[in-house]
Amino acid sequence: GIQVEQSPPDLILQEGANSTLRCNFSDSVNNLQWFHQNPWGQLINLFYIPSGTKQNGRLSATTVATERYSLLYISSSQTTDSGVYFCAVNTGFQKLVFGTGTRLLVSP
Amino acid sequence: KAGVTQTPRYLIKTRGQQVTLSCSPISGHRSVSWYQQTPGQGLQFLFEYFSETQRNKGNFPGRFSGRQFSNSRSEMNVSTLELGDSALYLCASSQAGAGEKLFFGSGTQLSVL
Repeated sequence: GIQVEQSPPDLILQEGANSTLRCNFSDSVNNLQWFHQNPWGQLINLFYIPSGTKQNGRLSATTVATERYSLLYISSSQTTDSGVYFCAVNTGFQKLVFGTGTRLLVSP
Repeated sequence: KAGVTQTPRYLIKTRGQQVTLSCSPISGHRSVSWYQQTPGQGLQFLFEYFSETQRNKGNFPGRFSGRQFSNSRSEMNVSTLELGDSALYLCASSQAGAGEKLFFGSGTQLSVL
């Protein structure tokens, strides 16, 4: 089956710093989504981005489907950005294959 | 609009018991899918329902089952619980089509003792 890898696995930042999270996938996909899992376990959908670039406030994402990767940019990080970030790819109906996640800690 | 609601939030069961988890999707959403999250295996797809029919199923044993009601609410059942079933179970909903944006609930944390 399709493999989804994320890097880095862990990231520690000072508040105000910028970061880039990467997601590589091994095969063609229908779409790609980025999620943030908060400390209470809920997955918040950040982006639905099969290709191209989208921005939402301090966050932006780019997917290059032909090269099988996606990037999530976080600018001017805040402590509330802490948590685990997952990318997930869709391979059929609503079956998502999740990456291994990037655990982000933003310190004040 | 209310989000995806999962109940209960926490559950403690013993080996051999069975458990039923509930999920109410966002109003108007007809697709409900379930995922299991463990530290070792990460997030894994269990199954997806649309209009009371299972459309897709992950690689889990038959002890894991689910259903969807006519109001789109869904339940999943795990029979003969094993210690390895301890996990966060997440439910997600979307409007209908394949490959749509998914919205997740807060999950049910199941502990099997």
